[in-house]
Amino acid sequence: NAGVTQTPKFRVLKTGQSMTLLCAQDMNHEYMYWYRQDPGMGLRLIHYSVGEGTTAKGEVPDGYNVSRLKKQNFLLGLESAAPSQTSVYFCAGRRGVSYEQYFGPGTRLTVT
Amino acid sequence: AQKITQTQPGMFVQEKEAVTLDCTYDTSDPSYGLFWYKQPSSGEMIFLIYQGSYDQQNATEGRYSLNFQKARKSANLVISASQLGDSAMYFCAMGFSSGGSNYKLTFGKGTLLTVNP
Repeated sequence: NAGVTQTPKFRVLKTGQSMTLLCAQDMNHEYMYWYRQDPGMGLRLIHYSVGEGTTAKGEVPDGYNVSRLKKQNFLLGLESAAPSQTSVYFCAGRRGVSYEQYFGPGTRLTVT
Repeated sequence: AQKITQTQPGMFVQEKEAVTLDCTYDTSDPSYGLFWYKQPSSGEMIFLIYQGSYDQQNATEGRYSLNFQKARKSANLVISASQLGDSAMYFCAMGFSSGGSNYKLTFGKGTLLTVNP
């Protein structure tokens, strides 16, 4: 099993550009999450999904959109990137029978 | 509102010694979970240990144990017999149900542990 994977690993965007981050999992996770991690801070929840076809806002959702058309994939979109969105983005998944979340390797995004 | 506090920005420990990383939390919800994650310099987040608020015994996973003191609202991580590979950032997190079947995590800011040879 690959676990939770994220594509791409690194990306540089110019202000105003758009992009989509892909999270894929083969662990049958029902729940999936997108976080961002900034220097000196813990992880903050952007959006999450409790199942295929569902999404909901987390703590810092502004400027991001998500979609979960298939159970195994959770996409994070930036429609018009801003320098404040420079961060490391983590995807995580969780099965319904346990509480711990399992994380992908992260995507380092720089917006110039 | 739920809040996690890690008061130690950095800690140093000698190889083979034990170390305790502090974590305090604040919540009015009687049902919650406490987690510790490790983030090595390579960047991935690795789940270490979980403690439920109703669990009577402290959780243990190999060299990791969670010292859960409910009245003090603390959930300290104890690493026994430290190894050089334990050098990493450690995050404490609290989980709680947020309506329906979802369960959210709130993270502390982390403690950077350095193990010296």
